[in-house]
Amino acid sequence: EAQVTQNPRYLITVTGKKLTVTCSQNMNHEYMSWYRQDPGLGLRQIYYSMNVEVTDKGDVPEGYKVSRKEKRNFPLILESPSPNQTSLYFCASSLFVQGIGEQFFGPGTRLTVL
Amino acid sequence: GENVEQHPSTLSVQEGDSAVIKCTYSDSASNYFPWYKQELGKRPQLIIDIRSNVGEKKDQRIAVTLNKTAKHFSLHITETQPEDSAVYFCAATLAGGGADGLTFGKGTHLIIQP
Repeated sequence: EAQVTQNPRYLITVTGKKLTVTCSQNMNHEYMSWYRQDPGLGLRQIYYSMNVEVTDKGDVPEGYKVSRKEKRNFPLILESPSPNQTSLYFCASSLFVQGIGEQFFGPGTRLTVL
Repeated sequence: GENVEQHPSTLSVQEGDSAVIKCTYSDSASNYFPWYKQELGKRPQLIIDIRSNVGEKKDQRIAVTLNKTAKHFSLHITETQPEDSAVYFCAATLAGGGADGLTFGKGTHLIIQP
């Protein structure tokens, strides 16, 4: 089954404790992206990747890191999480560069930073 | 970068009536405009998209119109049904050039009243 998976789905952590949210897709998509969703603010892009070893900042990259060592995986790293990073996070992938065509979203990761 | 404004933030319509959601964008170079639907507790999913070389696109009860001169595009849903209740997001991007990904509007919560 073609899908985007994220883990964990729910995470409660404390300020400053490094964490990684994994994202994997099995559709051989070149483009992958991370978004955060906050009430009243919609979906805001954090980072995106157009291919292996190619990553770029989105609109809200501060406090986040990403890597794209393999085509299927695009982990999101929070080196020192803070309460303002409490949010719902979505990973997405698309066949075409720059996300043209349908973006397939993962199920989301709800992160709470205390 | 691109900026997308979406209105209204909440829209309540009677079942069977039509619903219209409007978006404006700032970058006249943008040429790809998708719409995503997010049901409660679920991931966003593409419902329709339009490229700048056409003015209108229809898919059964939904349609999207684009006015490039005025830099706005709209989602039209006719004969609304309870399953249309969701949050709808518009987005814009420049396909085929530049490095930016999708910029989303803040979303419209569509409520279908029985």
